[in-house]
Amino acid sequence: EDKVVQSPLSLVVHEGDTVTLNCSYEVTNFRSLLWYKQEKKAPTFLFMLTSSGIEKKSGRLSSILDKKELFSILNITATQTGDSAIYLCAVAPGTASKLTFGTGTRLQVTL
Amino acid sequence: DADVTQTPRNRITKTGKRIMLECSQTKGHDRMYWYRQDPGLGLRLIYYSFDVKDINKGEISDGYSVSRQAQAKFSLSLESAIPNQTALYFCATSDPGTGYKETQYFGPGTRLLVL
Repeated sequence: EDKVVQSPLSLVVHEGDTVTLNCSYEVTNFRSLLWYKQEKKAPTFLFMLTSSGIEKKSGRLSSILDKKELFSILNITATQTGDSAIYLCAVAPGTASKLTFGTGTRLQVTL
Repeated sequence: DADVTQTPRNRITKTGKRIMLECSQTKGHDRMYWYRQDPGLGLRLIYYSFDVKDINKGEISDGYSVSRQAQAKFSLSLESAIPNQTALYFCATSDPGTGYKETQYFGPGTRLLVL
């Protein structure tokens, strides 16, 4: 059974801090790993990672995948209150588009 | 206009009632999904459909049924609602025709309360 574990479950930081969110996985025939941000309702897509060691970057957010150790990290630098959200990690197997989600990391950025 | 819409956005119903949640999309995607989200359990897949004639059960399909009326419409039904089906329900779509076929686009969600 495919499994995704995210840590920490929740995190409170001050504006300007840098945070690292973790995602480890077990999946049959891995194809890709995805990160989503969920603020109030619907998750929004952040990154899709398929290859080890290649960093994906979007503004202050970046992510990298380690397929040997079966994990990914999501970094957020110079955090802002608008980064407060639940960050979801999901993995996709090789044969279909079904995603298995982790339970998410709840990030709160305070002033 | 939103690409993926869900109706209703909020619903309160009683145990034993039949209800339907609807999802429509204008993205032209063939693949559609229904998830539920519960605190501490993350998103769990209920059903998914890769095209109009293809319907598949997800992790937690018991107590639910679906109908894919058209490429753009995918409905989720609770035949006889029970309180532990109280949750936030999301519809999502994806496009198998691109290199990003795993990227799923989510609707705004339906918050369901079963009393």
